[in-house]
Amino acid sequence: GAVVSQHPSRVICKSGTSVKIECRSLDFQATTMFWYRQFPKQSLMLMATSNEGSKATYEQGVEKDKFLINHASLTLSTLTVTSAHPEDSSFYICSARVGGGEETQYFGPGTRLLVL
Amino acid sequence: AQSVAQPEDQVNVAEGNPLTVKCTYSVSGNPYLFWYVQYPNRGLQFLLKYITGDNLVKGSYGFEAEFNKSQTSFHLKKPSALVSDSALYFCAVRDTGGGGSYIPTFGRGTSLIVHP
Repeated sequence: GAVVSQHPSRVICKSGTSVKIECRSLDFQATTMFWYRQFPKQSLMLMATSNEGSKATYEQGVEKDKFLINHASLTLSTLTVTSAHPEDSSFYICSARVGGGEETQYFGPGTRLLVL
Repeated sequence: AQSVAQPEDQVNVAEGNPLTVKCTYSVSGNPYLFWYVQYPNRGLQFLLKYITGDNLVKGSYGFEAEFNKSQTSFHLKKPSALVSDSALYFCAVRDTGGGGSYIPTFGRGTSLIVHP
């Protein structure tokens, strides 16, 4: 149980295009989903937190117009990197939490984005 | 405010020997503590957590961790390391006190290398 999927696992795109990453909780309903960015050999950087049906809360320094987050249902959140540039190349990881006192976050397998 | 420290960037251990990955934390109230493991190009997998109760917590793959309130530590341990345990390990903390966040803070990660 508690499986989170991400799609795509890898994406290569040209500079200036937009990329959408999907995060799904497969066997549970996630009241809260988190989006992280991870640079090589570094820790996770929390980008934003989203609750189903409401606007995402972005961490300081993360451009909300650049990284669009939608949490349309209790099982799906999407991250869209708009007008991607090479500096957006990174490993993006989502996680989901059931809520209601259950503290554990369940992570997706990550998406490797390479912007040429 | 909540914070977590993993003082070692890398831990090396021979297969069959016991391993310890260190984690210390700082909170104003009571902590919720977590360990996650990340294999290359993958998301994080939940290993174990301490919320309340017994200080010794047993988790997946033979790992355990001991909550030590006086030393504000939550070190990850395994009696006999396997080469397949080689991965990146993250400790996380959430402060349930008034100055805490409902979002855990992750440490910078410790790379565990188990030599055959």
